[in-house]
Amino acid sequence: DTEVTQTPKHLVMGMTNKKSLKCEQHMGHRAMYWYKQKAKKPPELMFVYSYEKLSINESVPSRFSPECPNSSLLNLHLHALQPEDSALYLCASRPGQGTNEQFFGPGTRLTVL
Amino acid sequence: AQSVAQPEDQVNVAEGNPLTVKCTYSVSGNPYLFWYVQYPNRGLQFLLKYITGDNLVKGSYGFEAEFNKSQTSFHLKKPSALVSDSALYFCALEGGTGFQKLVFGTGTRLLVSP
Repeated sequence: DTEVTQTPKHLVMGMTNKKSLKCEQHMGHRAMYWYKQKAKKPPELMFVYSYEKLSINESVPSRFSPECPNSSLLNLHLHALQPEDSALYLCASRPGQGTNEQFFGPGTRLTVL
Repeated sequence: AQSVAQPEDQVNVAEGNPLTVKCTYSVSGNPYLFWYVQYPNRGLQFLLKYITGDNLVKGSYGFEAEFNKSQTSFHLKKPSALVSDSALYFCALEGGTGFQKLVFGTGTRLLVSP
């Protein structure tokens, strides 16, 4: 299996809802990433997990809560989001620190009403 | 701090003609450079990378890129464009003090006309 999967593909939620995004990879990669991407803009890094430990938090608001239950799975828990949080959320993984490229999932299109 | 510049928001080229998408970078130390492509409503797909060695790097789908250290550039090229190459292209840099972070350029939309 050489891909990163993300579920759901689309998500619509109200500002008071709690939802989660899921990312999975079975390539044995030990670094996993969450990015936020607005239309026609580059991805913005949110979080990095390295060997299942949070290693980078790019000053993301606490309404976004990442979780890495095991080496194959990465979640992003969402609570009390704002309409400006509507975006494409991308997950990526890579084997570990070093010179390897990141493998991106197809993304979850999130709309906050 | 490291940065990546893609000076063109859009590049237009006719099918069959060569294409170039420009990228320049700024970093302390040796850069790791990448090109990614994104089709509408999709994730990013890796095209190629420069880490060390030969300055001409060949990648997926017939793309190649030339690393030029003196000009701090890493331009993406293809000898003969296809309509299906139309997409959003991102140059990215990993280097300096942040070896876990990819710093992306602003992206260049490539439009290949039939």
